[in-house]
Amino acid sequence: GENVEQHPSTLSVQEGDSAVIKCTYSDSASNYFPWYKQELGKRPQLIIDIRSNVGEKKDQRIAVTLNKTAKHFSLHITETQPEDSAVYFCAARSSPGSARQLTFGSGTQLTVLP
Amino acid sequence: DAGITQSPRHKVTETGTPVTLRCHQTENHRYMYWYRQDPGHGLRLIHYSYGVKDTDKGEVSDGYSVSRSKTEDFLLTLESATSSQTSVYFCAISESGTGMSGTEAFFGQGTRLTVV
Repeated sequence: GENVEQHPSTLSVQEGDSAVIKCTYSDSASNYFPWYKQELGKRPQLIIDIRSNVGEKKDQRIAVTLNKTAKHFSLHITETQPEDSAVYFCAARSSPGSARQLTFGSGTQLTVLP
Repeated sequence: DAGITQSPRHKVTETGTPVTLRCHQTENHRYMYWYRQDPGHGLRLIHYSYGVKDTDKGEVSDGYSVSRSKTEDFLLTLESATSSQTSVYFCAISESGTGMSGTEAFFGQGTRLTVV
């Protein structure tokens, strides 16, 4: 099955700096790569996603890049703010059989220091 | 937010007792999932469903069973709870998609289960 590795597990940045979180996946058939943000005590919520026919996608201060050849994708947050502090999860979706499963990375705790 | 509700939100139970968690959706989405979240492990898939009465195992299915008798409800049962099943459980739903389209997964609020 799919295996997703995420690094780093913790990341601290100064407010206004950029943050980068990286993930690798193992199944070359995976075609959908979402990123979720989870604030303390809350549910994970989708912040951005990318499909395998696109190399980069941007939404205001966040962007995701995908390198299919190397099987890795990254989340970039620019001009970080204290409200960006949360746990971020990457995921990859393969489609074994008739199901569409998401496999998640282990998460990155991002702390934005004021 | 997508119409997805988990119950109960919190539960404390004793080792060896059966426990059932419920996930209810009002979105008529085909796919439903149960994940558990533990520190250092992210979200791990327990079981999933791709239609009424159609379910399959995820990566950490031992000790768990599921049922889906209606589109809107997906039940997770711990047959005989153990302390290792203390965790936060999340239900998720997603629409069916074809080819490259795909859709996001929406998560419920989570259920914090403590087995003592």
